[in-house]
Amino acid sequence: KQEVTQIPAALSVPEGENLVLNCSFTDSAIYNLQWFRQDPGKGLTSLLLIQSSQREQTSGRLNASLDKSSGRSTLYIAASQPGDSATYLCAVYGNKLVFGAGTILRVKS
Amino acid sequence: EADIYQTPRYLVIGTGKKITLECSQTMGHDKMYWYQQDPGMELHLIHYSYGVNSTEKGDLSSESTVSRIRTEHFPLTLESARPSHTSQYLCASSPTGTTREKTQYFGPGTRLLVL
Repeated sequence: KQEVTQIPAALSVPEGENLVLNCSFTDSAIYNLQWFRQDPGKGLTSLLLIQSSQREQTSGRLNASLDKSSGRSTLYIAASQPGDSATYLCAVYGNKLVFGAGTILRVKS
Repeated sequence: EADIYQTPRYLVIGTGKKITLECSQTMGHDKMYWYQQDPGMELHLIHYSYGVNSTEKGDLSSESTVSRIRTEHFPLTLESARPSHTSQYLCASSPTGTTREKTQYFGPGTRLLVL
């Protein structure tokens, strides 16, 4: 059974800091890994999708890496802003999408 | 921005009542999903559909039922609500084609409180 763990559970940083969110998964037989953002009162928004054959994906200030063999992914956020405050969810797709519990990020101005 | 809608957004209801959570998408996606999420916890798949008249149960046992009579509509029904059903329910859809390459689009969710 696939299990997805995200560390840390919560993170508070001052504006402008670069930060890293971690995701690990137990079964490396995945087709892709995705990072989502969840805002209070809103649904999930897909940030980055990394195919199993890829090592990383970038979108703006976000960079996600994937090491399938070790079952790990990181989401790097550069120059964090208060608007980045949200819950970040990692999900892996094998035969279905399995989510981690998320990292609650607060960026202080 | 994804065009997937859920109503109601918030619902407070008494034990024993029948409720239906609505989910609609205007993107023509064949695949639709219902997830349940408790605060601070993972999303768990409770139902999914790969097309009209196709519904399957997900990993998390749920007393709810779903139907898929039209492509764009995937309602979830609880025949008799209980306090244990209190949670957030998220609906999602994804395009036709291999799910390996495509993400799911999520609605805003319904927060359900059963008293």
